[in-house]
Amino acid sequence: KNQVEQSPQSLIILEGKNCTLQCNYTVSPFSNLRWYKQDTGRGPVSLTIMTFSENTKSNGRYTATLDADTKQSSLHITASQLSDSASYICVVIRFYGNNRLAFGKGNQVVVIP
Amino acid sequence: NAGVTQTPKFRILKIGQSMTLQCTQDMNHNYMYWYRQDPGMGLKLIYYSVGAGITDKGEVPNGYNVSRSTTEDFPLRLELAAPSQTSVYFCASRFSLAGDEQYFGPGTRLTVT
Repeated sequence: KNQVEQSPQSLIILEGKNCTLQCNYTVSPFSNLRWYKQDTGRGPVSLTIMTFSENTKSNGRYTATLDADTKQSSLHITASQLSDSASYICVVIRFYGNNRLAFGKGNQVVVIP
Repeated sequence: NAGVTQTPKFRILKIGQSMTLQCTQDMNHNYMYWYRQDPGMGLKLIYYSVGAGITDKGEVPNGYNVSRSTTEDFPLRLELAAPSQTSVYFCASRFSLAGDEQYFGPGTRLTVT
């Protein structure tokens, strides 16, 4: 069973609209959670990194939230642009262990004019 | 800084052939990783290294080998290529602390026929 589940798998939104992506995880013990943006044909690029004590973190029009009690995170995109079309990957890092990073399958976002 | 560079960008192999995927980083990072990304799936860790001369298996190491003779380079070797190894391969690196950002290369798209 995947330890990081993302929803929705894909969505299409109109340019200028907002959207929210969800990430639920079962990874334990928790160290930090990251959201990455992956453009088609490119490597993932970090958007936000949040530790246990952080509830929200912003990077421009991207705002990530974290509820470590319920093991849920969200990524909110405000006033979407065509360049926001990408896959958004949630990554949860364990506090220790050999293979500490658990990757979600990604939310595929398509922004249309 | 060039960041993390990977070569080649694309490659087609016949079943049973061998090849080496190259990865270089110029950020003096201690940790380096190799992932594979299959369509619609999350990234899976193949091998990782915490420093020159030290490597360890990740989640899906079978059919691959790595070496880390220098801090900068972390090549991934495929012996006896199989169709199941058709994938996009990403190399990544980070410094050392748990909260450090992980930087990804642009990827190598490999097809085995």
